[in-house]
Amino acid sequence: GQQVMQIPQYQHVQEGEDFTTYCNSSTTLSNIQWYKQRPGGHPVFLIQLVKSGEVKKQKRLTFQFGEAKKNSSLHITATQTTDVGTYFCAVPAGNNRKLIWGLGTSLAVNP
Amino acid sequence: DGGITQSPKYLFRKEGQNVTLSCEQNLNHDAMYWYRQDPGQGLRLIYYSQIVNDFQKGDIAEGYSVSREKKESFPLTVTSAQKNPTAFYLCASTGQGSQPQHFGDGTRLSIL
Repeated sequence: GQQVMQIPQYQHVQEGEDFTTYCNSSTTLSNIQWYKQRPGGHPVFLIQLVKSGEVKKQKRLTFQFGEAKKNSSLHITATQTTDVGTYFCAVPAGNNRKLIWGLGTSLAVNP
Repeated sequence: DGGITQSPKYLFRKEGQNVTLSCEQNLNHDAMYWYRQDPGQGLRLIYYSQIVNDFQKGDIAEGYSVSREKKESFPLTVTSAQKNPTAFYLCASTGQGSQPQHFGDGTRLSIL
């Protein structure tokens, strides 16, 4: 079945360093969603990308959708301790309203 | 204040016992979902429902059951057939089209 690969699984950075997580699909995607889950919390929607080559920014977060709509990245500039958590990508599963979730990238930030 | 309410926050199950996790939403969303999350793991879909009185199995439905008698409510029963129920259970809902999923705060289930 359709899968989405997310890497890396873990990332440990010093505060102020940059961070990037990647999602890759073997099939062309109609859209991709990104979520953040703080430790002990629930996933919270960050953004949805729809267009080929789309780049969206939210403060220090930059989201990109590949030209072929098969991959996406989330980049955080100058990480802060508030960025700690697990970042998930999720893609639609065919014509139903399910999402296929990446395994997530857990980010730890050393102050 | 619109949102999704899951209860209880913590739940303990005895051997051979069925337990029911509650999920209620007032977002007027058609579709609702139940996920299981194990420590350090991603989200695995248990069941989902796109309309009232209809639901479909997800990837790990064995040992679980659901009902969708009302649009607002999608309770999950963890049956005694689920031999490894200890996990974090998340309920979500979504509106029309490819709108994002909104999550409740989750229920942590443990075995006594």
